[in-house]
Amino acid sequence: QSALTQPRSVSGSPGQSVTISCTGTSSDVGGYNYVSWYQQHPGKAPKLMIYDVSKRPSGVPDRFSGSKSGNTASLTISGLQAEDEADYYCCSYAGSYVFGTGTKVTVL
Amino acid sequence: EVQLVESGGVVVQPGGSLRLSCAASGFTFDDYTMHWVRQAPGKGLEWVSLISWDGGSTYYADSVKGRFTISRDNSKNSLYLQMNSLRTEDTALYYCAKDNFDYWGQGTLVTVSS
Repeated sequence: QSALTQPRSVSGSPGQSVTISCTGTSSDVGGYNYVSWYQQHPGKAPKLMIYDVSKRPSGVPDRFSGSKSGNTASLTISGLQAEDEADYYCCSYAGSYVFGTGTKVTVL
Repeated sequence: EVQLVESGGVVVQPGGSLRLSCAASGFTFDDYTMHWVRQAPGKGLEWVSLISWDGGSTYYADSVKGRFTISRDNSKNSLYLQMNSLRTEDTALYYCAKDNFDYWGQGTLVTVSS
């Protein structure tokens, strides 16, 4: 299984929106509605932000939203805040599981 | 409160073996699939293995298949990863994670070096 493709970095000013893409194939992202997203601050464990493409666990702000079209999933952070600066990873079920390459979000 | 605590990470020589453990609490352990996920220094996340609630089904990433074995002891609320024939590229922080990756431990560091 090859890692899902994410942009290396995205950035935005406080209050703006940013979108992170996660591109796979019909064998993973495109084949199942089991895409999840994780936030990881330096030195910390990953935190689940979105599961099943667009569902938010309790406690995750509604500024975070997920979607999918074909073989590409997306995470959008609206109203960007300083604490959103972190690494973000997507993950898809594919018979087993595969993570994305990771995206660093910078708040300018 | 759900807690996952990994242990067993050390420095080991290439070709060596190691067993990682993950102690779970705060949830009904034997109701859930469990995973191991690793992260090499400065790199991204890599799924390693999963085991079903009863241990009856196991899956592995191609990179570790035939060298690593996942297991669990539901009577001890514990998850394990037996790592054999270790390679330098296995150097990573190893996390255990619950079911839908909704809870993660803090990780245990495995360094494979001569």
